[in-house]
Amino acid sequence: GAGVSQSPSNKVTEKGKDVELRCDPISGHTALYWYRQSLGQGLEFLIYFQGNSAPDKSGLPSDRFSAERTGGSVSTLTIQRTQQEDSAVYLCASSSISNLYEQYFGPGTRLTVT
Amino acid sequence: RKEVEQDPGPFNVPEGATVAFNCTYSNSASQSFFWYRQDCRKEPKLLMSVYSSGNEDGRFTAQLNRASQYISLLIRDSKLSDSATYLCVVNLQRDNQAGTALIFGKGTTLSVSS
Repeated sequence: GAGVSQSPSNKVTEKGKDVELRCDPISGHTALYWYRQSLGQGLEFLIYFQGNSAPDKSGLPSDRFSAERTGGSVSTLTIQRTQQEDSAVYLCASSSISNLYEQYFGPGTRLTVT
Repeated sequence: RKEVEQDPGPFNVPEGATVAFNCTYSNSASQSFFWYRQDCRKEPKLLMSVYSSGNEDGRFTAQLNRASQYISLLIRDSKLSDSATYLCVVNLQRDNQAGTALIFGKGTTLSVSS
C-alpha cells in the first residue's frame, strides 16, 4: 500500500516568510508525528497527534511553529516568520494503533531559509 | 547530558566482519527501545525492537541493560548493503497516553567495504 507522503519535497523560502508543510499518513494510522533533522544533528521530535486526543506539542521549538491534523488524517506543519536556523529536513511519521512504536517515515521536506 | 548518546563513528569494516554499536540513554522512565537504520539522504526505517531478554533477527542481535541504561546492536557477517547510519532510539511514556514520541540518538555510521 501507499506509504507516508509529504509535500513539497523541497522548499526554499526567504527569511521572514511563512511556510506550510503537508503530510499524508498511511491510511488507517491513528498516530502522526513531526520530526526535524538538521545537518549533522539527530532527529528532533516536534509534535504528535494520537486519534482525537490533544496533540503533544512539547517538542515545538518556538511559538512560530504550529501544526494541525484535520479529519484525523492529513497534517500541516506551519512555520511563521521563518529564520535561517529553521533550515532542516522535516520528517513526518505515522503508526497504527496495533503497534504505535513502529513509526513509518515519509521522505521529508527539505526546507532552506535564505 | 544528551538523552540518547552514541559513538558517531564512522566504523569502517571489511565484508564479513562483526561490528558492535553501543548506546546509552539518560531517562530511566524510557520503556521501549529500538534500532532504526537511515541510508544517506533517506528517511529512517525500523530495523528492530530491543527487548530486555535480548533478541536476534538473522545477522542482527540487540541487547538491553536497563540497570546500566545501555543498548547494543551486533551485526555479524557484515554485507556491503549494511552500510548506513544506525540510530539508537528510545520511547518516552508520557502519562498514561498510548502513542509516544521517539527520542533519537545522532546515529553511528557504518561503512562496509569489499
